[in-house]
Amino acid sequence: AQKVTQAQTEISVVEKEDVTLDCVYETRDTTYYLFWYKQPPSGELVFLIRRNSFDEQNEISGRYSWNFQKSTSSFNFTITASQVVDSAVYFCALSDNFGNEKLTFGTGTRLTIIP
Amino acid sequence: EADIYQTPRYLVIGTGKKITLECSQTMGHDKMYWYQQDPGMELHLIHYSYGVNSTEKGDLSSESTVSRIRTEHFPLTLESARPSHTSQYLCASSEYHLVGGGAGTGELFFGEGSRLTVL
Repeated sequence: AQKVTQAQTEISVVEKEDVTLDCVYETRDTTYYLFWYKQPPSGELVFLIRRNSFDEQNEISGRYSWNFQKSTSSFNFTITASQVVDSAVYFCALSDNFGNEKLTFGTGTRLTIIP
Repeated sequence: EADIYQTPRYLVIGTGKKITLECSQTMGHDKMYWYQQDPGMELHLIHYSYGVNSTEKGDLSSESTVSRIRTEHFPLTLESARPSHTSQYLCASSEYHLVGGGAGTGELFFGEGSRLTVL
């Protein structure tokens, strides 16, 4: 069975600080996909990134970066120079290789950026 | 920008009522999903569909039912609502990709959700 653990339920940081959201996953699949989604107060989940298990390169997109470490089954998400607009709930998710996009979500981390 | 719409956004009803949550997408996606989100934020897959006339139950058992008569429409129905059904319901869609070698973007497009309160 697949499982995603986001141990940080809530995080608050002052604007412009860097913040890292942790994600640890469990799967028996040799090929799998990892995702991060953002849920702003409006409610819809917004796709941020997809990473497959064969690609362990870290990725940077603007102020966002992701650190995938297969050895520790972790896929952490860092926001640098945080802004108030980053306040949201962030979900890490995992899917298998069967192309069915049935995602197993973590419990989410509520991030609050204090102006 | 996602083109997936859910109505109603908010619904407060009494126990025993029948309700239908509507979900429509204009992207021509074959795959559609319903997730239930607890007040504590966790998301659980309750129904999914790979196309017209295809519906499957998800990982979390639910008393709701779904139908997929048209590609763009995936409504969820509760025949007799109870307070335990109080939750946020999120609809999503994605493009269908045949299996093989990591096909599929994996990106789900979500609606804004329907927040149901049963008194």
